[in-house]
Amino acid sequence: GAGVSQTPSNKVTEKGKYVELRCDPISGHTALYWYRQSLGQGPEFLIYFQGTGAADDSGLPNDRFFAVRPEGSVSTLKIQRTERGDSAVYLCASSLLRSGELFFGEGSRLTVL
Amino acid sequence: TQLLEQSPQFLSIQEGENLTVYCNSSSVFSSLQWYRQEPGEGPVLLVTVVTGGEVKKLKRLTFQFGDARKDSSLHITAAQPGDTGLYLCAGATQGGSEKLVFGKGMKLTVNP
Repeated sequence: GAGVSQTPSNKVTEKGKYVELRCDPISGHTALYWYRQSLGQGPEFLIYFQGTGAADDSGLPNDRFFAVRPEGSVSTLKIQRTERGDSAVYLCASSLLRSGELFFGEGSRLTVL
Repeated sequence: TQLLEQSPQFLSIQEGENLTVYCNSSSVFSSLQWYRQEPGEGPVLLVTVVTGGEVKKLKRLTFQFGDARKDSSLHITAAQPGDTGLYLCAGATQGGSEKLVFGKGMKLTVNP
């Protein structure tokens, strides 16, 4: 597809389980971002990749959250020992260049029971 | 912590009315972006303003960046039902959009 693709679109899990969320950016986009949007809130920055490296991970809330982008394209956000407070829509965005226009995916809605 | 306050948070109006939504902060931003988000979708960029005092127009939408680059406004003229959605402002602090700070958004409903 032409846009940012995120899978799964919905994920329901139990407290304490491990979750992986995948983002497939627009082809050729070097920058990739993860944001988290809780109900009634605006998106909150988590991490930014330039190529394969995490250029800024200051938004990751704690060490249960980790993200990778091993080949500079697809990225995976990994959440260990999920908690109910992790429930949110996780948005991925990509841009052609650093500081370029962000194109967001539709998000992965995570519900932790 | 940099915060962006948006007001109003909710607005329900009739088709044809005008409206203004405000985005305020005590922090200075290098640029400010406005997005529109529909349910079940990601935000879509409407405009980026960079220079203090800058005004940009996009059809019936007029965006203004405050002189001090701490605030912005979005004015919609003759609103239409298709304008319904969540309007988000986001500030960039590092010379680009690597790390955006978003407001909570304004949920607009335009009734036919």
